[in-house]
Amino acid sequence: EVQLVASGGGLVQPGGSLRLSCAASGFAFSNYWMSWVRQAPGKGLEWVANIREDGSENWYVDSVKGRFTISRDNAENSLYLRMNTLKVEDTAVYYCARAFQGAFDYWGQGTPVTVSS
Amino acid sequence: DIVMTQSPLSLPVTPGEPASISCWSSQSLLQSNGYRYLNWYVQKPGQSPQLLIHLGSNRASGVPDRFSGSGSGTDFTLKISRVEAEDVGVYYCMQGQQNPITFGQGTRLEIK
Repeated sequence: EVQLVASGGGLVQPGGSLRLSCAASGFAFSNYWMSWVRQAPGKGLEWVANIREDGSENWYVDSVKGRFTISRDNAENSLYLRMNTLKVEDTAVYYCARAFQGAFDYWGQGTPVTVSS
Repeated sequence: DIVMTQSPLSLPVTPGEPASISCWSSQSLLQSNGYRYLNWYVQKPGQSPQLLIHLGSNRASGVPDRFSGSGSGTDFTLKISRVEAEDVGVYYCMQGQQNPITFGQGTRLEIK
C-alpha cells in the first residue's frame, strides 16, 4: 500500500525556518518525481515545488524561489522541504504527493504550518 | 504560466441528477504524444485531495464509473452521471504539462 506521511509542521514566527519531511512507503520511491502542494486556510490548492527521481532537477513556484529548498534521500525513502525566511502568507497545510504521468496520484495527509508573531 | 479557469465555482445538485464542471487552460494541454496532461481531483471535507481523472479522461484506480472526463486542447469537462451524497467536496482541475504546475480555483459541489 502506498503511504506518504508528512511531518514537521508547526507554529513559527515571520522570518523563521522550518523543515518538513515526508516518509514514503509501499512503492519504489527512487522511481518517481515528488512534489509539495500547499493549501492556505479556506483557499485552493497551490503547487509549491517538485524534484526529479534522482534529485538532479527541481522546480519552484515563484513565490518561494530563493526561500524554499526541496530535497530527497532515496536511501531513506524521504522527501523534504526546507523553508527559510517564512512569511505570514506561507501559512498553509503542506501536502507531499507522488507524481506520475503529469498527475499527483497519491497524497499525504498534510502537515500544517502557521507563520505568525 | 498556464492559467486554469473553472466554472461554476459552486454547484448545488440533487442526488441522482447529473453534474458537470468545466475547466479551461490558457494554453493547449495536448502533447505531440497524444496525451492531454489535464487531471481532476476531489477534496472531500477534512481530507487530502484525491485523484479522480488523469490524462484528460482516464479514471484513477477505484474511481466509480459515474465519473468521466473529456476534452480537447484547452477545454475540458468533468461529468458525474448521477450524483451521490458522498460526492460532496471541492473539485479541482490541474495541468501537469509544464512547471509551474497550476490548479483551477475549485468547484464546490453541494447536495440540494
